[in-house]
Amino acid sequence: QQQVKQSPQSLIVQKGGISIINCAYENTAFDYFPWYQQFPGKGPALLIAIRPDVSEKKEGRFTISFNKSAKQFSLHIMDSQPGDSATYFCAALQGGGNKLTFGTGTQLKVEL
Amino acid sequence: NAGVTQTPKFQVLKTGQSMTLQCAQDMNHEYMSWYRQDPGMGLRLIHYSVGAGITDQGEVPNGYNVSRSTTEDFPLRLLSAAPSQTSVYFCASSPTYTSTDTQYFGPGTRLTVL
Repeated sequence: QQQVKQSPQSLIVQKGGISIINCAYENTAFDYFPWYQQFPGKGPALLIAIRPDVSEKKEGRFTISFNKSAKQFSLHIMDSQPGDSATYFCAALQGGGNKLTFGTGTQLKVEL
Repeated sequence: NAGVTQTPKFQVLKTGQSMTLQCAQDMNHEYMSWYRQDPGMGLRLIHYSVGAGITDQGEVPNGYNVSRSTTEDFPLRLLSAAPSQTSVYFCASSPTYTSTDTQYFGPGTRLTVL
């Protein structure tokens, strides 16, 4: 049973467009929600993270929107660039610990 | 700093063989963990360690053993490899067990079990 559900599985966006990836969770004990970016042949790298007491967090072109009541959060990539082409994973942690529960991943391709 | 290093990068085993995947970090991190990545399933936690001499199971521990004799090293042992263990394995580390600590992932080991 997937504790963190992620969609879409793959996404194609034109350069300059907005990429949106959605995640949903059931476990209300989750209290920290990071996003990871993974390029082919590399390990995941932390992109941005949010706590559930914040509705939005922005870092450069990347924004997390968080809806605690709906138990959903999303990643928005503004002005998407070909260099953003990668696989993106949402994740969740609970109880102040560091055991990551990952979503299934979204393969993003940004076309010229 | 080299960060998190993993060896080997690629490995092919026959069913029933054993092997050890190596992981080392030079950042003096307390917390280390192992994940496996399978298509369509994201990454799943195998084992983790909050410090030298302390290990615990994650979501998918069966068929794997770990030990942590030093802060730097956290090897993952496959006792009797099975085709279901074909996967990409990632080691990660963070300064402490605190959720807000950034976890740093190694480059991965691609394992094929025939």
